[in-house]
Amino acid sequence: TQLLEQSPQFLSIQEGENLTVYCNSSSVFSSLQWYRQEPGEGPVLLVTVVTGGEVKKLKRLTFQFGDARKDSSLHITAAQPGDTGLYLCAGAPTGNQFYFGTGTSLTVIP
Amino acid sequence: NAGVTQTPKFQVLKTGQSMTLQCAQDMNHEYMSWYRQDPGMGLRLIHYSVGAGITDQGEVPNGYNVSRSTTEDFPLRLLSAAPSQTSVYFCASSYVGGGAHTGELFFGEGSRLTVL
Repeated sequence: TQLLEQSPQFLSIQEGENLTVYCNSSSVFSSLQWYRQEPGEGPVLLVTVVTGGEVKKLKRLTFQFGDARKDSSLHITAAQPGDTGLYLCAGAPTGNQFYFGTGTSLTVIP
Repeated sequence: NAGVTQTPKFQVLKTGQSMTLQCAQDMNHEYMSWYRQDPGMGLRLIHYSVGAGITDQGEVPNGYNVSRSTTEDFPLRLLSAAPSQTSVYFCASSYVGGGAHTGELFFGEGSRLTVL
């Protein structure tokens, strides 16, 4: 069992559709981050959420941190083929052990 | 800017062989870490370091050793490779200010290791 569980694991949608990815834990996090990874490359940071209930928007991507700081969600509006990739949530519940979620592989079909 | 550099990018080993994955960063980051990435499991933390001379274990440390003699370098050693260590390995670094770790992790391009 991993500290951060993501759902769904795989998502294949048509261009223009909306989607939501969830990141859940039983632990409290001081902050959570979302990364996006493309094949053959390392993950790249999209956003950091710090305050419980916080909502951050990055163009068509909306990130929310749960009130209890145990979960987060990523919502993409009108998905485009360029959004295809592996989305990972990450955080450090205590100290310096920085954990990643199980990942959500998104494919947007033109 | 080079950022985080990992070598080699690809390696094939036989069971029982040893090797070292190299990781270097030029951003003067205190924090460095090694992850392995396997299908359906995201990234799992192997070892990490918060500065030269300081290392600690992550989620899956067995079979791996690390050292941190300089700020720039953080090599990962496999002393006796096993097929279960077939994976893609990522090195990452971050600036850690204050107490809470909220800094961005910068990743290398990964090292794909196959153990036969």
